Amino acid sequence: LAKTTQPISMDSYEGQEVNITCSHNNIATNDYITWYQQFPSQGPRFIIQGYKTKVTNEVASLFIPADRKSSTLSLPRVSLSDTAVYYCLVGDILNSGGGADGLTFGKGTHLIIQP
Amino acid sequence: EPEVTQTPSHQVTQMGQEVILRCVPISNHLYFYWYRQILGQKVEFLVSFYNNEISEKSEIFDDQFSVERPDGSNFTLKIRSTKLEDSAMYFCASSEALRGMGRLGYGYTFGSGTRLTVV
Repeated sequence: LAKTTQPISMDSYEGQEVNITCSHNNIATNDYITWYQQFPSQGPRFIIQGYKTKVTNEVASLFIPADRKSSTLSLPRVSLSDTAVYYCLVGDILNSGGGADGLTFGKGTHLIIQP
Repeated sequence: EPEVTQTPSHQVTQMGQEVILRCVPISNHLYFYWYRQILGQKVEFLVSFYNNEISEKSEIFDDQFSVERPDGSNFTLKIRSTKLEDSAMYFCASSEALRGMGRLGYGYTFGSGTRLTVV
């Protein structure tokens, strides 16, 4: 799995757009980029996954430049309930035996939203 | 929305005792996992299970750990002789079969965890 680097923490305010960037310089051709969210004392929750360009769902957008060496998770108009740890994961199951592979979580980005 | 259910939510046990953590994965999922998170640290992969056998395990998953799918719905993690350092949140997860789709991490659903405290 490609190594990822994220800011340890970020602060923002309610109603703002928050962008969390993840660096993955060694991303492989078949790797996908996946973001998870974790609230205190809960399990991680899948947010979004992408391969290139832009992906959007009801929760967030994921921007991936052409070289794919970084990605940005964008949370529109955050609220206090978006305070959580956000994890960027990069990997592919094709080269590692199929869908049974464990996920490798880093330390993530602790996002704190203030009123 | 389908959920992964874990029981109990909290368990306190004495060092050296055996504990069994229970999970009910999402019914149409085929891959099952256990992860743990020591307080303030990373989420760590323990083991994955597919087709009634272990598919992958980490270095943490030593001989004191075992997993079982005793029936069509439950998935359990047993710790035979607990140690103080086993105190952690234990998360069960499940996922659909994604072989050949190249989407590691897509569609994994985690439970809310069991907080294990070894005293």
